Amino acid sequence: DAGITQSPRHKVTETGTPVTLRCHQTENHRYMYWYRQDPGHGLRLIHYSYGVKDTDKGEVSDGYSVSRSKTEDFLLTLESATSSQTSVYFCAISDHRETEAFFGQGTRLTVV
Amino acid sequence: GENVEQHPSTLSVQEGDSAVIKCTYSDSASNYFPWYKQELGKRPQLIIDIRSNVGEKKDQRIAVTLNKTAKHFSLHITETQPEDSAVYFCAAITGYSTLTFGKGTMLLVSP
Repeated sequence: DAGITQSPRHKVTETGTPVTLRCHQTENHRYMYWYRQDPGHGLRLIHYSYGVKDTDKGEVSDGYSVSRSKTEDFLLTLESATSSQTSVYFCAISDHRETEAFFGQGTRLTVV
Repeated sequence: GENVEQHPSTLSVQEGDSAVIKCTYSDSASNYFPWYKQELGKRPQLIIDIRSNVGEKKDQRIAVTLNKTAKHFSLHITETQPEDSAVYFCAAITGYSTLTFGKGTMLLVSP
């Protein structure tokens, strides 16, 4: 398996609180992605990064921010969590845009 | 942006039968088409991919076909086994975009 680790694996938080999810890679891949997975919606891109400090929005970026200060770390922040952000979040990495994306184990986030 | 439609949403087959999952895409510039398998509670993992300069690719019991004119591609699984039961996602990408996934197909293989 590619060296990609997400933390935490599970989190329950209250509405209105900030939450940060971490993705760490040891593959030195250029691209890092955050997806959310919800029943009936498949995998939807939240934000992605194409280099240190280089990020861009995805399909469902509202309510989320990201940062990448080092090649190996990509952080996803929910500034003020809402119940609609209850989901499974996957980080992924790839060496190029048009090559295999390797996924982390996922983080199950519940906002109550 | 790219739009990927995937059908069917669920597919039930008997062990040993073949399974076919179909996807269509909207951006004619898309040039890379991967398929991911996600077992229950696990991460998605690539099982096969195809590029726009190839019409078909096979890997043991799995094959993918691409029709660029019609903008559709399909996953074919032959001699299905219970361990093939999972959710399968197709995806498409152009050189200047990111992967767009279909909504997934739940494949159930009954012994």
